Amino acid sequence: AQKVTQAQTEISVVEKEDVTLDCVYETRDTTYYLFWYKQPPSGELVFLIRRNSFDEQNEISGRYSWNFQKSTSSFNFTITASQVVDSAVYFCALSDSDYKLSFGAGTTVTVRA
Amino acid sequence: KAGVTQTPRYLIKTRGQQVTLSCSPISGHRSVSWYQQTPGQGLQFLFEYFSETQRNKGNFPGRFSGRQFSNSRSEMNVSTLELGDSALYLCASSLEQGARTNEQFFGPGTRLTVL
Repeated sequence: AQKVTQAQTEISVVEKEDVTLDCVYETRDTTYYLFWYKQPPSGELVFLIRRNSFDEQNEISGRYSWNFQKSTSSFNFTITASQVVDSAVYFCALSDSDYKLSFGAGTTVTVRA
Repeated sequence: KAGVTQTPRYLIKTRGQQVTLSCSPISGHRSVSWYQQTPGQGLQFLFEYFSETQRNKGNFPGRFSGRQFSNSRSEMNVSTLELGDSALYLCASSLEQGARTNEQFFGPGTRLTVL
């Protein structure tokens, strides 16, 4: 069985604040992949990042950064200097030996001007 | 390059009816996956088709079925609709089989309402 927990249901910040989204996962497999997706109000899921279980390097892409820690089974996502356009629902997902994507419940981020 | 397209975008049906949703993947993509999104259950994997064969299946009843054509286009069918089938149905395409190693590109979804 696999499970992804996003404990934060909603986060509201003022523009330019940093926001960190938590993601904790469970899997018995040693090989697995973690993902983050963004779902803006239009409804279309947008791929943000994929990370395999053997690569614990943190990654930065513009204002986005990800912190992967196998020791705590966490794959957290930070938006630096948030903007109104970052308002969306963000999903963390896991895929292991069954090749399916299992999504967390999502975190709704609202960035106020 | 055109993205993933789904038709129709909105659909209203009544209980007991059946419905067919369509998904056209990005040109060159051979895998199509379907997901159901509801407020209560969140995003759940339905099934994945690759080379016209179902390769993976989620935990949904047999009322949910699908198929893939030789041009990679896919359809999913829900028979004997129930109120709980009201959801956003998302289709995703990728170059090859398997969500974990192949980036999935999602369509805008079909919003199904069952009355």
